[in-house]
Formats: sequence, C-alpha cells, structure tokens
Amino acid sequence: NAGVTQTPKFRVLKTGQSMTLLCAQDMNHEYMYWYRQDPGMGLRLIHYSVGEGTTAKGEVPDGYNVSRLKKQNFLLGLESAAPSQTSVYFCASTGGGSYNEQFFGPGTRLTVL
Amino acid sequence: DQQVKQNSPSLSVQEGRISILNCDYTNSMFDYFLWYKKYPAEGPTFLISISSIKDKNEDGRFTVFLNKSAKHLSLHIVPSQPGDSAVYFCALYTFGNEKLTFGTGTRLTIIP
Repeated sequence: NAGVTQTPKFRVLKTGQSMTLLCAQDMNHEYMYWYRQDPGMGLRLIHYSVGEGTTAKGEVPDGYNVSRLKKQNFLLGLESAAPSQTSVYFCASTGGGSYNEQFFGPGTRLTVL
Repeated sequence: DQQVKQNSPSLSVQEGRISILNCDYTNSMFDYFLWYKKYPAEGPTFLISISSIKDKNEDGRFTVFLNKSAKHLSLHIVPSQPGDSAVYFCALYTFGNEKLTFGTGTRLTIIP
C-alpha cells in the first residue's frame, strides 16, 4: 500500500499562474482533506470531502478550489496563484473511526514568485 | 478564533530526560485529543490519542495527560531520544464534526 501520495513534490509558480495538486489514497477512505502549513500557524484546513462527489470549505478556502470525482483522488486547484499561497500543502485521508485518525501525504512545497 | 494553542514554539531537552509538550484549548466540546509527530520533508504521523472520558493514556515512552477542568493537554516523552526530535501537533476532534482542529505545533529538539 502506498498510503497517501501527492503530486508534485515541489513547484515554483509566477503570480497569476494556475496549477493543480493531486492527492491519491489507496486505503478506500471516505474522507479526504487539504491543509496548508505555514510557520507559526500550524495546519490549517483549506477544503475537505466526506465522499466521492462532495466538497466543503475549511478554515482558509479563499483562492482555492477542489474536486473529488473519484473516491481515491482529491484535487486542489489554484486558479490565479498569489505570493500569499506560498506554503507547504498536505493532503490527508481517513476512514473515520473513533477519533478521525488522519493519514497524511508527504507534502507539496509551493513557491509563488 | 484560535481554539487550540501550543504556547511553546520550540523546546530543547537533554537526551534521557523527560520532554513535556503542552496544548491548551478553549472549547469544552471536544471528544478526543490526538498528538501527531512531524519530521522535516514528511507528512505528520499519528502518535497517541486520549478520549475525553479519560485523564491518562500511555504507550511505551509516550504518555498523554488530559485535564478537562483546565482545558489542558500534555504529552510526556520519557526517556527522550534523538529520534524524538520533530515538530509535535496536538489535534482535537468532536464526534460528527468530520474534522480535526490542529494546534500551532512545538518543535522539539533532543540534545545528545
């Protein structure tokens, strides 16, 4: 089992460019999440999905869109990148359970110039 | 509205001694409390959890304490080892909420 994988691992964008981050999980999990990690801010939830075809806003959704067309994939899109979106992005998934233990991918480091 | 705070951004501890990481929260409706560990260039990994109906949970060198009246959570690592050097996040969960609320993290450095 690969667990949770993220593509790409690194990316540099210019302001205004667009890109899509791909998250894939092979654990048949219903729930998937996108977080960003910034120094001193911890992990902040961007968007999440409770099942195929569903999405919901998290704590910091502005400037991002998501899609969950297949149960195993969760895409995060930036339509017009801004320097404030420079961050490390983590995807996570869980099958739920007693305490919602989430399994994380290795992260994508994005720099917007 | 910062519901979960880890007031120490960093902590240095001598190898073999006890490491104590703290987490404070404001909302008393949380049902489970988790700790995650993160190494550089990797995603966070689950470490240990505790239910709101307990005040202590132990797993090897790791013990989590919950003081509900003080809305305070702590993780004790004893004895500390160099491999424990990482960033630690507390995360809180409410039944039916489908989300975890993460703290800001504490960077633990174990000094050999």
